[in-house]
Amino acid sequence: QKEVEQDPGPLSVPEGAIVSLNCTYSNSAFQYFMWYRQYSRKGPELLMYTYSSGNKEDGRFTAQVDKSSKYISLFIRDSQPSDSATYLCATHHTGGFKTIFGAGTRLFVKA
Amino acid sequence: NAGVTQTPKFRILKIGQSMTLQCTQDMNHNYMYWYRQDPGMGLKLIYYSVGAGITDKGEVPNGYNVSRSTTEDFPLRLELAAPSQTSVYFCATRPPGGEAETQYFGPGTRLLVL
Repeated sequence: QKEVEQDPGPLSVPEGAIVSLNCTYSNSAFQYFMWYRQYSRKGPELLMYTYSSGNKEDGRFTAQVDKSSKYISLFIRDSQPSDSATYLCATHHTGGFKTIFGAGTRLFVKA
Repeated sequence: NAGVTQTPKFRILKIGQSMTLQCTQDMNHNYMYWYRQDPGMGLKLIYYSVGAGITDKGEVPNGYNVSRSTTEDFPLRLELAAPSQTSVYFCATRPPGGEAETQYFGPGTRLLVL
């Protein structure tokens, strides 16, 4: 079993739709949960980060962690064509040197 | 600040050739990482370093070597290139205990082994 599971998609939505991206993880010791966004032919960049359980909102983006079910979510409201990218979930435990990444979900937002 | 720079951007190698992928950072971060990214497979950790003179293997180290003589530089060496090493390679840095424990990635090196 992979430590972090993420559906690679692709996921195609119309502009303005609400997008839900999800990951599951297996290690209950993981405390830090991140979402990275990667545009085509670019390196990943941090989009959102949460510590332990709960929600975090930043503009149109909301990151959610449910530690009881080991489930990580990213919601994008009013999606835009500029949101078209690959979204990678990531996690590690406190003090850990290594971050575990999901496979990444390719998102296409059509104008 | 340039952040994380990687050279070359693209390279074609013949089987059995060797090369060094360069990674340089100007953020004074202690932690540095090398990943490879294959289509639909996410990021696989090759090697990492927690400071100058200290390196350790990641998930997929076979066929690669690294060194860390300075805080700024973390080169990745391929000794005998194989088609299985065709991939996109990313270097990343991270400040220890920094907010969000964010990793900062370079633009990547695309490698094709024929």
